[in-house]
Amino acid sequence: QSALTQPASVSGSPGQSITISCTGTSSDIGSYNFVSWYQQHPGKAPKLIIYEVSQRPSGVSHRFSGSKSVNTASLTISGLQAEDEADYYCCSYAAGSTRQVFGGGTKLTVL
Amino acid sequence: QVQLQESGPGLVEPSQTLSLTCTVSGGSISSGAHYWTWIRQRPGKGLEWIGYIYYSGSTYYNPSLKSQVTISVDTSKNQFSLKLTSVTAADTAVYYCARESRTTNYFDCWGQGTLVTVSS
Repeated sequence: QSALTQPASVSGSPGQSITISCTGTSSDIGSYNFVSWYQQHPGKAPKLIIYEVSQRPSGVSHRFSGSKSVNTASLTISGLQAEDEADYYCCSYAAGSTRQVFGGGTKLTVL
Repeated sequence: QVQLQESGPGLVEPSQTLSLTCTVSGGSISSGAHYWTWIRQRPGKGLEWIGYIYYSGSTYYNPSLKSQVTISVDTSKNQFSLKLTSVTAADTAVYYCARESRTTNYFDCWGQGTLVTVSS
């Protein structure tokens, strides 16, 4: 069981927007703005797409955005494209000994 | 541009020790701005943070794996390594090395990953 809770799957049509939630606790997401999101295509390594809740690394499309409210972080992908079909993982810094916790991952299907 | 590359055996027998090395190129492991991290992904499952090492040698491990894990660094070779003792089938996974920002805790650079299977 993962420390952060994500929906197992989401789907959307090309051009639409989707949002993936990531629910934690007051010991992780609720206490720190160190939430990051990763995109993973099959057989590939994860790729950082959002850090510090809402910051985009250089080269990442503006279609990806992040936000946080209390203990839940969210990743929104606007203008869905076929290439966005992948697994998405959230991660948060956490108080105590665990330190870094991941969500279980969400499979995005572009219909 | 910094690149990371894992290397090591792809097959380990149960109860033995899994050993992997990550070679860092395009940047110095001694830069001080990063932790050097191991993360694994069991088949069909999510990501699990194993632990990190700082260039000075200080380490921090996931409590759930602490009894099994040792991470070490060789700054002269720009490498860091993972040892996981007494492995079982549950340790079968793709193992990634990654660079973690020391101040804001995100993983901005990843190796391609290496599959390690625990089987006799």
